[in-house]
Amino acid sequence: AQSVTQLGSHVSVSEGALVLLRCNYSSSVPPYLFWYVQYPNQGLQLLLKYTSAATLVKGINGFEAEFKKSETSFHLTKPSAHMSDAAEYFCAVSDGSGGSYIPTFGRGTSLIVHP
Amino acid sequence: DAGVIQSPRHEVTEMGQEVTLRCKPISGHNSLFWYRQTMMRGLELLIYFNNNVPIDDSGMPEDRFSAKMPNASFSTLKIQPSEPRDSAVYFCAGSSAGAEAFFGQGTRLTVV
Repeated sequence: AQSVTQLGSHVSVSEGALVLLRCNYSSSVPPYLFWYVQYPNQGLQLLLKYTSAATLVKGINGFEAEFKKSETSFHLTKPSAHMSDAAEYFCAVSDGSGGSYIPTFGRGTSLIVHP
Repeated sequence: DAGVIQSPRHEVTEMGQEVTLRCKPISGHNSLFWYRQTMMRGLELLIYFNNNVPIDDSGMPEDRFSAKMPNASFSTLKIQPSEPRDSAVYFCAGSSAGAEAFFGQGTRLTVV
């Protein structure tokens, strides 16, 4: 069965500082991995996705994530945080086991950016 | 395409009443998911349709919950009777096999 663990329900950074949001996954087969962002009172929007091509994936708004099979990790990073990055971030896994691609989401990490 | 459209955006209802949430997925997406989001439990998958057929409804909490997808462009999630603990944000999302899920804006349900 697939699952996702996001370490840290809240991450606080200063504007301009490095952002690192952690995600570890469990899957019985090579998975697809995703990061989504959710702003208040909105749905989830895709930031980036890994689908077995390049292990370093670049997404929107300057975010990127690296797939590390040996560590079963897919951490999200951004070199310099902006105030507008404050939001909830979700990691998701979808491995197609059982013939269906059903995304399973982590509990989310709230990114707080202070001046 | 206007994206995934959910209605209503907000619903306030009294305990015991029937609630119907609606979703219009993006054309061409053959998978449709209903999720529920709460502070306590995060994002929970309620039900998954593939080509309009319910494949996995193991996440539906009780018989009070039911979902239908009569055609590729419309799905409903019904709660009857509603209870205060059903208060949550309900999301509809769609995808093509293996690709990312596209979410609607959600319906915020409050049962008083």
